[in-house]
Amino acid sequence: DIQMTQSPSALSASVGDSVTITCRASESISTWLAWYQQKPGKAPKLLIYKASNLESGVPSRFSGSKSGTEFTLTISSLQADDVATYYCQLYDSYWTFGQGTKVEIK
Amino acid sequence: QVQLVQSGPEVKRPGASVRVSCKASGHTFTNYGFSWVRQAPGQGLEWMGWISVYNGITNVAQNFQGRVTMTTDTFTSTVYMELRRLKSDDTAVYYCARDRLPRKLDAFDLWGQGTMVTVSS
Repeated sequence: DIQMTQSPSALSASVGDSVTITCRASESISTWLAWYQQKPGKAPKLLIYKASNLESGVPSRFSGSKSGTEFTLTISSLQADDVATYYCQLYDSYWTFGQGTKVEIK
Repeated sequence: QVQLVQSGPEVKRPGASVRVSCKASGHTFTNYGFSWVRQAPGQGLEWMGWISVYNGITNVAQNFQGRVTMTTDTFTSTVYMELRRLKSDDTAVYYCARDRLPRKLDAFDLWGQGTMVTVSS
């Protein structure tokens, strides 16, 4: 099975900073990658699908991109409301999540 | 209102089975696939398996093969997940989630509220 390696495991940044989270696949997975945001005690929320498509209702400061087997989630201007854990997810004939990145405000 | 509503918390003994339900409303249930995802306390998300309501196909993650059964009831628009031979490390919140697009494997755009399953002697 394809493995997803997500980094960093945690980060701390100031409000207004640009934040980047990376997910690397062990082999090519086309663009079947999604990003989720999960706040404590809540179900995950879909942010990005098919590597770079913004889910309806998600703020435009969130964006996704792909380069080779590396996928990136960028928060262009971090807000206090963005404090959460973020997960990447491969989806094809099966689904695999990355290990998660906890984002905090400095 | 488009939503998934799951059954309530469960406490089980090791070796027992648990069945969690997920009732869909506000959309055409028979057009979609649904997954089960679990999250142990303080841990990440783990995909368990997927069932297609439109063609009956199931796909169970390797870690759960032989222990998980997923079924659907089209009359009540409900998906079920049964996990057998429970162990203490099955203690987790269990989520159901819907594929984003009808009749297509996809990311999950709709999630249930989660069901806490505690396995303890």
